[in-house]
Amino acid sequence: AQSVTQLDSQVPVFEEAPVELRCNYSSSVSVYLFWYVQYPNQGLQLLLKYLSGSTLVKSINGFEAEFNKSQTSFHLRKPSVHISDTAEYFCAVSDLDQGAQKLVFGQGTRLTINP
Amino acid sequence: GAGVSQTPSNKVTEKGKYVELRCDPISGHTALYWYRQSLGQGPEFLIYFQGTGAADDSGLPNDRFFAVRPEGSVSTLKIQRTERGDSAVYLCASSRGGEYQETQYFGPGTRLLVL
Repeated sequence: AQSVTQLDSQVPVFEEAPVELRCNYSSSVSVYLFWYVQYPNQGLQLLLKYLSGSTLVKSINGFEAEFNKSQTSFHLRKPSVHISDTAEYFCAVSDLDQGAQKLVFGQGTRLTINP
Repeated sequence: GAGVSQTPSNKVTEKGKYVELRCDPISGHTALYWYRQSLGQGPEFLIYFQGTGAADDSGLPNDRFFAVRPEGSVSTLKIQRTERGDSAVYLCASSRGGEYQETQYFGPGTRLLVL
């Protein structure tokens, strides 16, 4: 069965510093990859997704993630974070080989921005 | 427009009792998903509906859990003989169709506590 590993449960960074949140998934031929964000006291929101084409995908608020098939990774990066980026971030995968519309989520990474 | 709504937002019950959790998807969305999120974990898939039928119920943990979507819109997740281990946030999501690339929009969740 498909699984997703987020290597860091918590990541503290200073404001305006760069950040990388790591995500690895178990090997599969065909996957779709997602990053969801959960701001304090809010529901899960889609941040960005990789379906096909360019392996680098970007969000409207400056985050980007790169699909690396050989390393089965989909790490999330931002060159300069803001206080408003404080949230929990979830990586998720949809495994086309299993014919599943369901999402398999990682455990989440709590990003804390310090002024 | 209105997003996915879930009621109640919080539910406290006693071990052995029966509970129902309701989900109102975004209008026009034919696909509906239930997930369960335990403390400190990512969401875990329970069941997926395409229209009125359960297309994938492989995530339901046992036969105490059941879900319906009789008219292809509102869905109810039913838990019989609740156990303390059922305590979690139950999330509902909907999407326009059942295709892999369709974005799943999540509701705020129902926090269930079994005493």
